[in-house]
Amino acid sequence: QQQVKQSPQSLIVQKGGISIINCAYENTAFDYFPWYQQFPGKGPALLIAIRPDVSEKKEGRFTISFNKSAKQFSLHIMDSQPGDSATYFCAASMNTGNQFYFGTGTSLTVIP
Amino acid sequence: DVKVTQSSRYLVKRTGEKVFLECVQDMDHENMFWYRQDPGLGLRLIYFSYDVKMKEKGDIPEGYSVSREKKERFSLILESASTNQTSMYLCATNPQGAATDTQYFGPGTRLTVL
Repeated sequence: QQQVKQSPQSLIVQKGGISIINCAYENTAFDYFPWYQQFPGKGPALLIAIRPDVSEKKEGRFTISFNKSAKQFSLHIMDSQPGDSATYFCAASMNTGNQFYFGTGTSLTVIP
Repeated sequence: DVKVTQSSRYLVKRTGEKVFLECVQDMDHENMFWYRQDPGLGLRLIYFSYDVKMKEKGDIPEGYSVSREKKERFSLILESASTNQTSMYLCATNPQGAATDTQYFGPGTRLTVL
């Protein structure tokens, strides 16, 4: 059973547009929600993360929106650039455990 | 600078062969993980280890085993490789007691089983 559900599976956005990737979870014990970015031939790398005590976190063009009551969180990429083309994974974990639970990934293509 | 290295970037093996994938980290992290990555399925946890000689099964341990004799090294073993184990294998680490901390990934090993 997928603990974290991610959509869409793929996304094509024009340069300068907004890319939005959504994730949903069921386990209310999760208290850390990172997003990872993976370029072809590389391992995933942490992009941005949020804890449930805030509803939004922004780092440059990347923003996480977090809705605790709906058990959903999303990644927004503003002014998307061709260099943002990559696979994005959302994840969730809980402080009492060692395991991370990953979404199925979104392949983002930003066309010039 | 954080470093997680994997023994091979690309590996081609034949069905029935025993395969060793090695991961080495230089961050003195207690936790180490092995995932496989398949299109449309994301990252699925095979095994993880929270200390030397300790291991726990993840979501898909069947057909795999692991070894952790030293803190910095975590090996994934395919006892008898099969074609359905063709995949990208990723190693990751993070400090113990810090499931709310970053996981650091290696570059991955793309394994093809013929």
